Amino acid sequence: GAVVSQHPSRVICKSGTSVKIECRSLDFQATTMFWYRQFPKQSLMLMATSNEGSKATYEQGVEKDKFLINHASLTLSTLTVTSAHPEDSSFYICSARVTGLAGGPTDTQYFGPGTRLTVL
Amino acid sequence: GQNIDQPTEMTATEGAIVQINCTYQTSGFNGLFWYQQHAGEAPTFLSYNVLDGLEEKGRFSSFLSRSKGYSYLLLKELQMKDSASYLCAPMDSNYQLIWGAGTKLIIKP
Repeated sequence: GAVVSQHPSRVICKSGTSVKIECRSLDFQATTMFWYRQFPKQSLMLMATSNEGSKATYEQGVEKDKFLINHASLTLSTLTVTSAHPEDSSFYICSARVTGLAGGPTDTQYFGPGTRLTVL
Repeated sequence: GQNIDQPTEMTATEGAIVQINCTYQTSGFNGLFWYQQHAGEAPTFLSYNVLDGLEEKGRFSSFLSRSKGYSYLLLKELQMKDSASYLCAPMDSNYQLIWGAGTKLIIKP
């Protein structure tokens, strides 16, 4: 259980275009999902917390108009990088909050496989 | 503030045992997680401790001392595939995971 998928796994785009990344919980419902960004050899950086049916909560320094998050269902959250620029090139990872998993922690996060974005 | 301290890099030999230490400071505490992250991949969940003591899970064990703000991950019978970064992530009072840069573990034959 607790499988999270992410699509696409890799995307290359031109500067100025928008890119949408999907995060799905495959075998459970996730009311809360998280979006992270990770630059090479650096720690995961939380960008925003996405709650189903409400607006996302963005971390300080993350532009909400540039990184649009939509969590319209209990199994899908999307991150859209608008007007992407080369400095947005990074590894974007989503995770889903899982609570009450049988035999597991009462509250944890399971990660999608990540999306590597390259902006030319 | 919230802080995590782990060694940046460790090297061990295939078949041996290695212990990765982690000290942390958080606003509140709701458990501590260890994740494994291979290069270019997302983290995968390894273990969870919420009470003091040792949790054993196959070749991997994790220990927690809440009063000392200290945890370690113990890996036994090391295999080449264990070469990865290991992330110690405490959960704060808001149930948010706090991330450091992790420990890069290099396994040599």
